[in-house]
Amino acid sequence: KAGVTQTPRYLIKTRGQQVTLSCSPISGHRSVSWYQQTPGQGLQFLFEYFSETQRNKGNFPGRFSGRQFSNSRSEMNVSTLELGDSALYLCASSLVIAGGEDTGELFFGEGSRLTVL
Amino acid sequence: AQSVTQLGSHVSVSEGALVLLRCNYSSSVPPYLFWYVQYPNQGLQLLLKYTSAATLVKGINGFEAEFKKSETSFHLTKPSAHMSDAAEYFCAVSLTYNQGGKLIFGQGTELSVKP
Repeated sequence: KAGVTQTPRYLIKTRGQQVTLSCSPISGHRSVSWYQQTPGQGLQFLFEYFSETQRNKGNFPGRFSGRQFSNSRSEMNVSTLELGDSALYLCASSLVIAGGEDTGELFFGEGSRLTVL
Repeated sequence: AQSVTQLGSHVSVSEGALVLLRCNYSSSVPPYLFWYVQYPNQGLQLLLKYTSAATLVKGINGFEAEFKKSETSFHLTKPSAHMSDAAEYFCAVSLTYNQGGKLIFGQGTELSVKP
């Protein structure tokens, strides 16, 4: 079974630009979460999507947004990039069981490393 | 608010020695506790998960962790370190059974293994 796939793996942008990152979950996984990882702040939860709806959201500004498609693939977008947005962005998928309850176990992709100059 | 504290940002052991990575969570008992490992330039991989079924949890690659409610701890151990264990390890908790993918992570502990 294929794992979580994130594209692109590496990208460089300049301040003020926007970026879109893509994530394909494990087949059958309907929940997709996004995390930001930086040396200073560690791993921080951005948001989670299930059945094309944002189910949970972390404490990030509105410049960070996401969406999920009917095939469970997800994208996240960061607009008006700032230097502090340089980070590894990790996508994780999880299996949602009956009643919308998730197993709590996340399967992570290898991440998209964003550098903002 | 729920929080996770990993004691020691860097731990160094000799090959064959005991590995002990410490994790403490804040007082309210979380439904799930996890240990994840991250190798360089890779995503996180689940080592093990506590779900209240048993206090001693066995994971992959010979790792195990013991949940101690009285100490609010969930320390990770491995009897004998291998060079391939060198990586960063993260402890994490979930707040409820239906938190929609939201885990609270500790700051991580980088494990070095000396030959």
